Amino acid sequence: ETGVTQTPRHLVMGMTNKKSLKCEQHLGHNAMYWYKQSAKKPLELMFVYSLEERVENNSVPSRFSPECPNSSHLFLHLHTLQPEDSALYLCASSQGGGEPNEQFFGPGTRLTVL
Amino acid sequence: GQNIDQPTEMTATEGAIVQINCTYQTSGFNGLFWYQQHAGEAPTFLSYNVLDGLEEKGRFSSFLSRSKGYSYLLLKELQMKDSASYLCAVMDSNYQLIWGAGTKLIIKP
Repeated sequence: ETGVTQTPRHLVMGMTNKKSLKCEQHLGHNAMYWYKQSAKKPLELMFVYSLEERVENNSVPSRFSPECPNSSHLFLHLHTLQPEDSALYLCASSQGGGEPNEQFFGPGTRLTVL
Repeated sequence: GQNIDQPTEMTATEGAIVQINCTYQTSGFNGLFWYQQHAGEAPTFLSYNVLDGLEEKGRFSSFLSRSKGYSYLLLKELQMKDSASYLCAVMDSNYQLIWGAGTKLIIKP
């Protein structure tokens, strides 16, 4: 595997379910990101981890819970979601450290909340 | 507040040239990125500008004017595979990317 991978690619869940999204990067980067992409809206940064510590949390509802066990893996735990949470969830990684480095994106998880 | 503006949609003809504009207002500036995103796929990096002027990379060029808060992406010799969304993003003073909503480019034969 190369680059940034995400699983699952598609997820349909009810509002009472609990599920997790997984992201893995094989680029040796030390920063990882979760973004939400809704149709015709800018990418919304949800969480940033640098060196496995959360450095950014943009007022995301508590029904989204991130976890970064090591610099290569990132999870997004989901529970009691709402239909408006349906979107494409993108994971990205970069070489952090306060430098303007490009971010490499995974293919995303298309989430539908019923 | 922080704001990135770019047109929602543009249409161009195969073989032609198209310019996609982006204007921004951000708290601090550490460079401007352009990404390409095909439908159902991940965004992929196209270019990065931090100094004023034109950066050319094959059929694609990107221009930046920091004093005007303005950038454009120029695509030459358009091909059908260039049909995609083009995302403009500015890195702010905290090294976080602020994204525009993207410009959907439709290429017609």
